[in-house]
Amino acid sequence: ETGVTQTPRHLVMGMTNKKSLKCEQHLGHNAMYWYKQSAKKPLELMFVYSLEERVENNSVPSRFSPECPNSSHLFLHLHTLQPEDSALYLCASSQEPEGGTGIYEQYFGPGTRLTVT
Amino acid sequence: AQSVAQPEDQVNVAEGNPLTVKCTYSVSGNPYLFWYVQYPNRGLQFLLKYITGDNLVKGSYGFEAEFNKSQTSFHLKKPSALVSDSALYFCAVRDSSLTLGRLYFGRGTQLTVWP
Repeated sequence: ETGVTQTPRHLVMGMTNKKSLKCEQHLGHNAMYWYKQSAKKPLELMFVYSLEERVENNSVPSRFSPECPNSSHLFLHLHTLQPEDSALYLCASSQEPEGGTGIYEQYFGPGTRLTVT
Repeated sequence: AQSVAQPEDQVNVAEGNPLTVKCTYSVSGNPYLFWYVQYPNRGLQFLLKYITGDNLVKGSYGFEAEFNKSQTSFHLKKPSALVSDSALYFCAVRDSSLTLGRLYFGRGTQLTVWP
């Protein structure tokens, strides 16, 4: 596997279900991100993890719960979602500077298409 | 505050003609600028970036972009468009003075290249 992978690619869930999205980066990067992409809206940054520590949470409802057990894996736990949460959820990673130069651009996974019924 | 504007929701061009996708930005410090492309049902794919140095940067698939500091612009260009270039294009900026790379994205421009 190369780059950034996400599973599942498609997910349909009811409002009372609990599910998790998984992201894995094979690039040796030290930062990971969750984005939400809805139709006709700008890309929304949800969470940022740097060196496995959450450094940003952009007013995301508590029904979304991220987890970063190590620098290669990122999860998004979902429970009691609403229909408006239906969207494409994108994971990304980047190499941020650690006392030197970084790469700066983010590399994205293919996304999980989530539908909440 | 950081922001990116892509003034055109849609750009249409004939195959073989040059294409331009426009982007302007606002950032507090010096900008790092990026272009991404998204094909249907796929994630965003990195095309090119400007960090420092030459204002004209070259990227994947024959794309290039010119950084213009005075006009705060970073337009994406290609001399000869291909039908396969049809996709959604996003411009993004980050503030170089910040230690963690929060990217601000534009709304995207849908490029259609017709045969």
